[in-house]
Amino acid sequence: DQQVKQNSPSLSVQEGRISILNCDYTNSMFDYFLWYKKYPAEGPTFLISISSIKDKNEDGRFTVFLNKSAKHLSLHIVPSQPGDSAVYFCAASADTGNQFYFGTGTSLTVIP
Amino acid sequence: DAGITQSPRYKITETGRQVTLMCHQTWSHSYMFWYRQDLGHGLRLIYYSAAADITDKGEVPDGYVVSRSKTENFPLTLESATRSQTSVYFCASSAPGDLAYGYTFGSGTRLTVV
Repeated sequence: DQQVKQNSPSLSVQEGRISILNCDYTNSMFDYFLWYKKYPAEGPTFLISISSIKDKNEDGRFTVFLNKSAKHLSLHIVPSQPGDSAVYFCAASADTGNQFYFGTGTSLTVIP
Repeated sequence: DAGITQSPRYKITETGRQVTLMCHQTWSHSYMFWYRQDLGHGLRLIYYSAAADITDKGEVPDGYVVSRSKTENFPLTLESATRSQTSVYFCASSAPGDLAYGYTFGSGTRLTVV
């Protein structure tokens, strides 16, 4: 049973516009959330995180929003750049054994 | 080189063969993980280890065996490979409680079972 879900397998955005990637989770015990970025033939790399005590975290062009009541998080990329084209995974942890549960990924294409 | 390395990068094996995927990390992270990535399933946890000689099953452990005699190594063995085990395998490591940064992943091993 998938505890972390990314319902959009793909997303296309024009360069300079905002990209919004969404993630839903079912386990209310999750208290740490991460986004990873993955290029082809490479391993996922950490992008940004948020803990459940916050509702927003920013790092440059990347902002993650957390809505605990809706069990929903989103990643905003502003402005989007062609180099942002990659697969994005969200992940969540309940701090048990450092174990993270991953979503199925969203493939972002930024069109020049 | 510092980091986490996986070998081989690519492997083709026949059904029924035993194959071992290697993972080595240089940070002395106590936690190590094996994931497989499949289209439509994302990253699924196969096995993880909290320390040397401590391993536990993840979501999809059937057909796999792990060992961890040394902190830095975490090999994954497919005892009798099946076509359904064709996948990209990622090893990862993390320090205890280091949840804010998640895991550091290796570059992956693409395994094809024919």
